[in-house]
Amino acid sequence: GAGVSQSPSNKVTEKGKDVELRCDPISGHTALYWYRQSLGQGLEFLIYFQGNSAPDKSGLPSDRFSAERTGGSVSTLTIQRTQQEDSAVYLCASSLIRSGGEQFFGPGTRLTVL
Amino acid sequence: DQQVKQNSPSLSVQEGRISILNCDYTNSMFDYFLWYKKYPAEGPTFLISISSIKDKNEDGRFTVFLNKSAKHLSLHIVPSQPGDSAVYFCAANNDYKLSFGAGTTVTVRA
Repeated sequence: GAGVSQSPSNKVTEKGKDVELRCDPISGHTALYWYRQSLGQGLEFLIYFQGNSAPDKSGLPSDRFSAERTGGSVSTLTIQRTQQEDSAVYLCASSLIRSGGEQFFGPGTRLTVL
Repeated sequence: DQQVKQNSPSLSVQEGRISILNCDYTNSMFDYFLWYKKYPAEGPTFLISISSIKDKNEDGRFTVFLNKSAKHLSLHIVPSQPGDSAVYFCAANNDYKLSFGAGTTVTVRA
């Protein structure tokens, strides 16, 4: 498909375990974003990648969270030593230009930490 | 620090009538505003946007109004259709970051 894809769609893990969430952006999109949506909340910005520039990590809630983007395409969000408050839907988005204009979202990964 | 607020968590409207969704923001540096629509188990999809230099943008049944002095924007959907039932997010741009409201769940009754 031509859209943003994310895997897995659902992830249930035990507290203290590490998880990896994957995002495949739309081909050719240079900007990639990760957001988190907790229950009843809006989308919370986590991290932004643009081309070869250093990522903006200002939204990451703690040092247990990290993300990388390999080859300017696929991105992986890693959460180490998961906590129950990490339970949320993690959304990835990509866009063509370095702009806060229209972003194209994937379906999200629902993470549940028991 | 919630810079974008949607104070109505839900809205119920009869099919054919107007839906009005409201959004308030606090950051005067926002220069672009967007509305996204989200169905369950799907990511948000872009609906309509407006630049801060405009006060109105219309696209078919959807119109967004911006009142910069009041730091307020609204989305009008007319006429409302059953397929419009979804969660609507207001978002505001400052450089490349989007700040989102918590969303309003719209239910269109037949």
